[in-house]
Amino acid sequence: EAQVTQNPRYLITVTGKKLTVTCSQNMNHEYMSWYRQDPGLGLRQIYYSMNVEVTDKGDVPEGYKVSRKEKRNFPLILESPSPNQTSLYFCASSSTRRVGELFFGEGSRLTVL
Amino acid sequence: GQQVMQIPQYQHVQEGEDFTTYCNSSTTLSNIQWYKQRPGGHPVFLIQLVKSGEVKKQKRLTFQFGEAKKNSSLHITATQTTDVGTYFCAGNNNDMRFGAGTRLTVKP
Repeated sequence: EAQVTQNPRYLITVTGKKLTVTCSQNMNHEYMSWYRQDPGLGLRQIYYSMNVEVTDKGDVPEGYKVSRKEKRNFPLILESPSPNQTSLYFCASSSTRRVGELFFGEGSRLTVL
Repeated sequence: GQQVMQIPQYQHVQEGEDFTTYCNSSTTLSNIQWYKQRPGGHPVFLIQLVKSGEVKKQKRLTFQFGEAKKNSSLHITATQTTDVGTYFCAGNNNDMRFGAGTRLTVKP
């Protein structure tokens, strides 16, 4: 089954404690992206990757890091989480031939205390 | 930079009524996509529009792309309770920008 898998789905953590949200897709998609969703603000892009070893900042990259060492994986790293990073995070992927047709993961709800 | 505005933010309808959400971009778009997110779920791709003035239909859903490729609309005819959720547009012009979404609730 074609899917984008994120882990963890839910996490409560404390300020400053490094965490990683993993994202994996099994569709051989070149393009992968991270979004955060906050009430009234829709989906805002954090980082994206056009292919392996190629990453670029989105609209709200501050406080986040990513890596793309393998085509299927695109982890999101919060080196020192702060309360304003409390949000719902989505990973998405697509083929570069159909970039607009994003496949989203189930989402990861992160709370930073 | 490119901005995508979507209205209304909320819409509550009686089952059977029609519903429309509008998307406007500050710049000309290459294409536009529409997504639906059910409560507690993740966004799911509905459709992509590419051509100026394009109209596409999916059962009770009608999608339009403006002649100037700066606006788009999604119209649902005779809403059903299964239509509840948030509808997002995403405008694409080198990079992709999502609208804030329109949250639709349907009263049975």
